[in-house]
Amino acid sequence: DAGVTQSPTHLIKTRGQQVTLRCSPKSGHDTVSWYQQALGQGPQFIFQYYEEEERQRGNFPDRFSGHQFPNYSSELNVNALLLGDSALYLCASSGPSSYNEQFFGPGTRLTVL
Amino acid sequence: SQQGEEDPQALSIQEGENATMNCSYKTSINNLQWYRQNSGRGLVHLILIRSNEREKHSGRLRVTLDTSKKSSSLLITASRAADTASYFCATDARQAGTALIFGKGTTLSVSS
Repeated sequence: DAGVTQSPTHLIKTRGQQVTLRCSPKSGHDTVSWYQQALGQGPQFIFQYYEEEERQRGNFPDRFSGHQFPNYSSELNVNALLLGDSALYLCASSGPSSYNEQFFGPGTRLTVL
Repeated sequence: SQQGEEDPQALSIQEGENATMNCSYKTSINNLQWYRQNSGRGLVHLILIRSNEREKHSGRLRVTLDTSKKSSSLLITASRAADTASYFCATDARQAGTALIFGKGTTLSVSS
């Protein structure tokens, strides 16, 4: 049973560019959440998708947007990249009867130059 | 803002010793979860404790929750070098929906 998968593993972009990160949830899970983790910090919640809708959003600007597909996979898009967007981006999935138990993928390391 | 705060920030022990990490939070919660992270990669889910539970065990892990003190502890018994990692607690505050709120973590080093 595959766990949560994310792609790509690493990404290097320059300021002003746009980036798309991808996530496939654990089998049987229908909810996907995205987190940003800066170096030396704990993950910060970006947003959560359920039934192809953004259900909840953290304190992130509109440059951060997402999408969920009918197969529950999800994308995170970041426009107009800033140096401060350099971080590890983590995707987590949870299922319908799991007390919000969230399982994380390996993350995508984004470096903005 | 950070809901959970782990203590200590760093912990160094010898193999075979027990490691205890603490987590404090600010508002009422539904659940509290502990995660492990190796070398800045993905988080590994360790254990979830519900707000109406006081103690939970999983292998060498023991988690306690005191909702009156808004605190939790994670005990790892008989530590191994492979336990070297950062450990985070995460809460889903009742007024914050299902978003997990993390502290800055405890970095555990286990030397052989």
